[in-house]
Amino acid sequence: QSALTQPPSVSGSPGQSVTISCTGTSSDVGRYVSWFQQPPGAAPKLMIYEVSIRPSGVPDRFSGSKSANTASLTISGLQAEDEADYYCSSYTGSSTYVFGPGTKVTVL
Amino acid sequence: QVQLVQSGAEVKKPGASVKVSCKASGYTFNSYAIHWVRQAPGQRLEWMGWINTGNGNTKYSEKFQGRVTITRDTSASTAHMEVVSLRSEDTAVYYCARDVAIGMFEYWGQGTLVTVSS
Repeated sequence: QSALTQPPSVSGSPGQSVTISCTGTSSDVGRYVSWFQQPPGAAPKLMIYEVSIRPSGVPDRFSGSKSANTASLTISGLQAEDEADYYCSSYTGSSTYVFGPGTKVTVL
Repeated sequence: QVQLVQSGAEVKKPGASVKVSCKASGYTFNSYAIHWVRQAPGQRLEWMGWINTGNGNTKYSEKFQGRVTITRDTSASTAHMEVVSLRSEDTAVYYCARDVAIGMFEYWGQGTLVTVSS
């Protein structure tokens, strides 16, 4: 089964930028990488899809990119409300999906 | 507005089955797929499978193939997810989510806690 890896945690002070990586094989990290934000006790919220597209309503502080087998989510101008778990997911190409292990973002 | 409302929490014994429902409103139900994702306490999100609500076709994660069944009732705009032969490791919050395009799980249900305990 496909596997994605993420750092367990990242942290930054308000106003700083943090970047979360999501690494897999070339077939795991393709065109259809999404990112989800999940505050404690809440349902996930879509932040990025197709590597870099923001849905309507998501602040432009959130941006996505991909290089080779690694996708990244960058939060610029970190705010207290950004503190949450962040998950990447990828479409595997056989009509199935896989999620990464999640990264806890802490605002210092 | 688009809403996905799930059925309430369940407590089941090992070996039993559970069926969770996800009622959609605010859009044409059979135009978008419904996915099921679960999250055990303190663990990652885990994709389980999805249903094409138009034709009823399904696809499951290898891990859940044979033990999970996803169905839909178009007349009720509702998707269902059944897990059989429950074990303690199935204790989790189960979410339904609607996609708009590949990987674009834009709308989520509130989650249903299923507890498996003897």
